[in-house]
Amino acid sequence: TQLLEQSPQFLSIQEGENLTVYCNSSSVFSSLQWYRQEPGEGPVLLVTVVTGGEVKKLKRLTFQFGDARKDSSLHITAAQPGDTGLYLCAGAGTGFQKLVFGTGTRLLVSP
Amino acid sequence: EAGVTQSPTHLIKTRGQQATLRCSPISGHTSVYWYQQALGLGLQFLLWYDEGEERNRGNFPPRFSGRQFPNYSSELNVNALELEDSALYLCASSLFHSGANVLTFGAGSRLTVL
Repeated sequence: TQLLEQSPQFLSIQEGENLTVYCNSSSVFSSLQWYRQEPGEGPVLLVTVVTGGEVKKLKRLTFQFGDARKDSSLHITAAQPGDTGLYLCAGAGTGFQKLVFGTGTRLLVSP
Repeated sequence: EAGVTQSPTHLIKTRGQQATLRCSPISGHTSVYWYQQALGLGLQFLLWYDEGEERNRGNFPPRFSGRQFPNYSSELNVNALELEDSALYLCASSLFHSGANVLTFGAGSRLTVL
C-alpha cells in the first residue's frame, strides 16, 4: 500500500513568514500533485510535478519533486492570509489512474 | 464550463439507514472518482468508474457501492450506515493531461450519521 505522510500536520504562522510543507513516502511515484482545499470546497489543483528533481514556481509557492520521486516539498514565501487552507499532496503510481493522497497539512496565516 | 456538481450538499441519516450521493462530472470527462474525507484531513480513495465500469476500489467494505450511468454521472450508495461513515464525500472527474491524471473535484456531500 502506498502511503504519503505530510508534515507538519498543523501550522499557524503570521503574515509575512516563510514556511515549508513536506510530503514523504517510501514508494516511488510517476508524478506528484499538490492541492489546496478551503472550507466548504473540494481540493483545487495547484501543480503537477513529473520529473525527479523538478522545481516549479507558482508566484510565492515553490514546489520540488525529490530526485528519487519519493518525496516532495512546498515552500511558501511571505505567507498571506489568503494562503490559509488544507494543503494535500497526491501521488500517482504507474497507470496514473488512481491518486494516493497525503495526510494533509492545515495552514493558518494570521494578519 | 460547469464544474463537477454533487448533491445533496448535506445529508443526515441514522445508523442502519442507506445514503445515496450523486455526482455529475465535467462535460467530456469519462472517469469519476469517489473519495472519503473524514475530520478535514487526507482523502481516502473509495471507487473509480470509467466508461460505465468500476475500474478500481479502495479498502472499504462492500456496503459502499456505486455505479456510473451512460451520461457518465455517478452515484455512491452506502448501506447499513455506521457512525464512522460520517464524513465529507468528494467526487472528482478527470481528463488525462500532460502525462498525469488531473482531478477536478466537486464541493462534496457532507454525510452525518446519528
